[in-house]
Amino acid sequence: GQNIDQPTEMTATEGAIVQINCTYQTSGFNGLFWYQQHAGEAPTFLSYNVLDGLEEKGRFSSFLSRSKGYSYLLLKELQMKDSASYLCASMDSNYQLIWGAGTKLIIKP
Amino acid sequence: NAGVTQTPKFQVLKTGQSMTLQCAQDMNHEYMSWYRQDPGMGLRLIHYSVGAGITDQGEVPNGYNVSRSTTEDFPLRLLSAAPSQTSVYFCASSYSIGSGANVLTFGAGSRLTVL
Repeated sequence: GQNIDQPTEMTATEGAIVQINCTYQTSGFNGLFWYQQHAGEAPTFLSYNVLDGLEEKGRFSSFLSRSKGYSYLLLKELQMKDSASYLCASMDSNYQLIWGAGTKLIIKP
Repeated sequence: NAGVTQTPKFQVLKTGQSMTLQCAQDMNHEYMSWYRQDPGMGLRLIHYSVGAGITDQGEVPNGYNVSRSTTEDFPLRLLSAAPSQTSVYFCASSYSIGSGANVLTFGAGSRLTVL
């Protein structure tokens, strides 16, 4: 079966660094997405990885290891506005997205 | 550019009632889709469309109908509402970033409660 696993909730301190992990098992693989979703709002696109390695985009970076079926989202210099849920989604061989349940990130002052 | 516009934002229905969730996009995207989001679960695809006149079923299509008469509009119809359809519904359109990958732009969501 197809499955995406990510932690349900994480807590971090303002100004610190946090890593949100995602493991995936899908029928084929055509890339891994990360979306951010603030409470009561729509998800918004953060990153896409299809090759192994780290993609950096400002304070946010995303890493992919296809051999391990593993990705992480790294958030640096955390700000209160980073409090949100972070959704991991794998694109399968039919280019359909399989979504994780999301990781709720709580930032404390 | 309004992006993806969904209406209504909130709706309460009684079991057995029907209704339509409206979705419109002004980005000229060919691909549009409807998802539902339930607590503790990932987004689940209900129906999608790759262009005007073309629709297909997603993971959880039962109890829902769609049509795509224009590029801009993609309404979702609940035929006979059931409490299991209580959820937050998101419409999305998408654009290609290459390698067959599409980035989704979501509407603000419609929170539906079925009593």
